[in-house]
Amino acid sequence: DQQVKQNSPSLSVQEGRISILNCDYTNSMFDYFLWYKKYPAEGPTFLISISSIKDKNEDGRFTVFLNKSAKHLSLHIVPSQPGDSAVYFCAAIGGATNKLIFGTGTLLAVQP
Amino acid sequence: GAGVSQSPSNKVTEKGKDVELRCDPISGHTALYWYRQSLGQGLEFLIYFQGNSAPDKSGLPSDRFSAERTGGSVSTLTIQRTQQEDSAVYLCASSLAGGGSSYEQYFGPGTRLTVT
Repeated sequence: DQQVKQNSPSLSVQEGRISILNCDYTNSMFDYFLWYKKYPAEGPTFLISISSIKDKNEDGRFTVFLNKSAKHLSLHIVPSQPGDSAVYFCAAIGGATNKLIFGTGTLLAVQP
Repeated sequence: GAGVSQSPSNKVTEKGKDVELRCDPISGHTALYWYRQSLGQGLEFLIYFQGNSAPDKSGLPSDRFSAERTGGSVSTLTIQRTQQEDSAVYLCASSLAGGGSSYEQYFGPGTRLTVT
């Protein structure tokens, strides 16, 4: 039962262009969503988050959009840089639990 | 300030042996979480501590897995009679508390466990 889904295992983008990473969820109890970035042999690092009462949160080159009716969120990175190449995990939390439910990740490759 | 640290970074063990994995959370973080990532999979929740108590152990895959936390700080994840399917990267995370903006969890580098 995959409550958080990242259907694209990989994405390749040219440097300077926009990267769009997508995430879908099924549990309507989720009320907070996070994106993490992971380099090989390192733990995930927190990138950006959004509360379910908002539909957009922006931090520099990173913007997260939330569409609650569609149970869909996306992470936009613009302009993309080669250093952004990593695995990006979408995560959700809510209801009676404090545990993060993670998607399976999307490997982003930004080509110079 | 120091981040979350984990030891060992790598552990190779024979099937049937017990292993202990250690996590030192960020100082002052009351919540501590264990996850694991198997090859090609996302991060799978194992257990959550608030202080020294574990209100959510729902992710522990079998009774061979146990964890404890002492002094509201260091945590140890123990796997008894290891099996090959236990091979994974075990990640520890900590956060200030259990809700609100403290949902942001900070991860350690992980322990790569290989059971041969």
